[in-house]
Amino acid sequence: AQSVTQLDSHVSVSEGTPVLLRCNYSSSYSPSLFWYVQHPNKGLQLLLKYTSAATLVKGINGFEAEFKKSETSFHLTKPSAHMSDAAEYFCVVSDRAGTYKYIFGTGTRLKVLA
Amino acid sequence: DTGVSQNPRHKITKRGQNVTFRCDPISEHNRLYWYRQTLGQGPEFLTYFQNEAQLEKSRLLSDRFSAERPKGSFSTLEIQRTEQGDSAMYLCASSPPGTPYEQYFGPGTRLTVT
Repeated sequence: AQSVTQLDSHVSVSEGTPVLLRCNYSSSYSPSLFWYVQHPNKGLQLLLKYTSAATLVKGINGFEAEFKKSETSFHLTKPSAHMSDAAEYFCVVSDRAGTYKYIFGTGTRLKVLA
Repeated sequence: DTGVSQNPRHKITKRGQNVTFRCDPISEHNRLYWYRQTLGQGPEFLTYFQNEAQLEKSRLLSDRFSAERPKGSFSTLEIQRTEQGDSAMYLCASSPPGTPYEQYFGPGTRLTVT
C-alpha cells in the first residue's frame, strides 16, 4: 500500500531564507511523486513532478525537489522564500499503473515572516 | 483548453437533503477522479472512472454516495440524506491517456451542511 508522510505540519521561515518541506513516501512499486500548493480559498496548483526521469526536479516559482530512493524521500526546497510562498503544500504519491489515484500527505503550512 | 470545471462552486444545504455536483473534465481525458478534502486535511480519494466505467471506490464512499459518468464525459457525484460530516471540499480531477499519472484538478465544490 502507498502512503506519504509530511514530517512538519507547520514551517516558518523569514523572507529571503531557504525553504525545506520534508516528505517521505512508501510505495510497493516505482512511484510518481508530486508537490502541489494550495493558497487560501484557491484550487490545487502543481508545483513539480517526478515520473522516473531526472531525480532532481525543477518546478515553478523556483522550487525544486530531489527523489532519493534509498531514503524514500522527496523533499521540496527553495533557495529564497517570498511572501507570496505562504500557503499549504501537499506531497503526493501515485503508482504508475492501475488507477493512478493520488495519495496526499496531510499538508505543510508554510508561513513566511517579513 | 478550458481546464476542469466544477459546478456549483459552493453549496449550502440542510441536513437530510440530497445534493448533486457536476464535473466537466478536460476534453479527451479518459480518466476522472473524485476526492474529498476536509478542513485542515489533504484530499482523500473517493472514486475513479476510466471512460464511463467506475473502476474503484474508496471505503469512504458510503452507500449515501453515488457517482456516474455517462458516456464517459462529465461526471456527477450525488450525496443522499446529507449529514454534517459531509461538509467538505469535493474535488474533481482528470488525466489524459498519454500521461495517466498527471491529474489536472478543478476548483472544487465546497459543501456546507447545516
